[in-house]
Amino acid sequence: AQSVTQPDIHITVSEGASLELRCNYSYGATPYLFWYVQSPGQGLQLLLKYFSGDTLVQGIKGFEAEFKRSQSSFNLRKPSVHWSDAAEYFCAVGEKNTDKLIFGTGTRLQVFP
Amino acid sequence: DAEITQSPRHKITETGRQVTLACHQTWNHNNMFWYRQDLGHGLRLIHYSYGVHDTNKGEVSDGYSVSRSNTEDLPLTLESAASSQTSVYFCASSASGGVNTGELFFGEGSRLTVL
Repeated sequence: AQSVTQPDIHITVSEGASLELRCNYSYGATPYLFWYVQSPGQGLQLLLKYFSGDTLVQGIKGFEAEFKRSQSSFNLRKPSVHWSDAAEYFCAVGEKNTDKLIFGTGTRLQVFP
Repeated sequence: DAEITQSPRHKITETGRQVTLACHQTWNHNNMFWYRQDLGHGLRLIHYSYGVHDTNKGEVSDGYSVSRSNTEDLPLTLESAASSQTSVYFCASSASGGVNTGELFFGEGSRLTVL
């Protein structure tokens, strides 16, 4: 069965520092991969998605993610974090032809000034 | 602007009572989903629907039911609420297939407490 693992429950970075959030997936074929962000008290918002093609995907708010098939990973990165990036981040894998998403357990990002 | 709304946003109920959480979307999306969010578990899929009169069980469907009588609404019913169902519930919708796959639009959540 497909699954998503986010190894880091909580990450703290200083404002202006670079960020990398880890995501590993288990899926038999080429997966559809997503990153969502949840601000406090809000629903989730799509940051970016990978279906095929270029393995480096650009998203909103200056985020990017790189698909690495050999490592079954889809890590999220940002070169310089802003205080407003403090939120919870979810990686998800989609089943082809079903439109369903399976979410990881999330990583909470805290940003210090 | 199109949106997806959930009600109530907060509810406290007692064990054994029936509870219904409403979800209404104006995106005209065929797909609608209910997730629950719990610490340490992320989001887990409860039920989903691909269109009117279609419903499917997700990974944590026991104790929950849904019905889809129109495109806009997918109410979630807890037949007999249990303390283990204390959680934050999110409704989401999406267009069908293709490049839209996986682009879920979420409501703001309904926090349910079962005493």
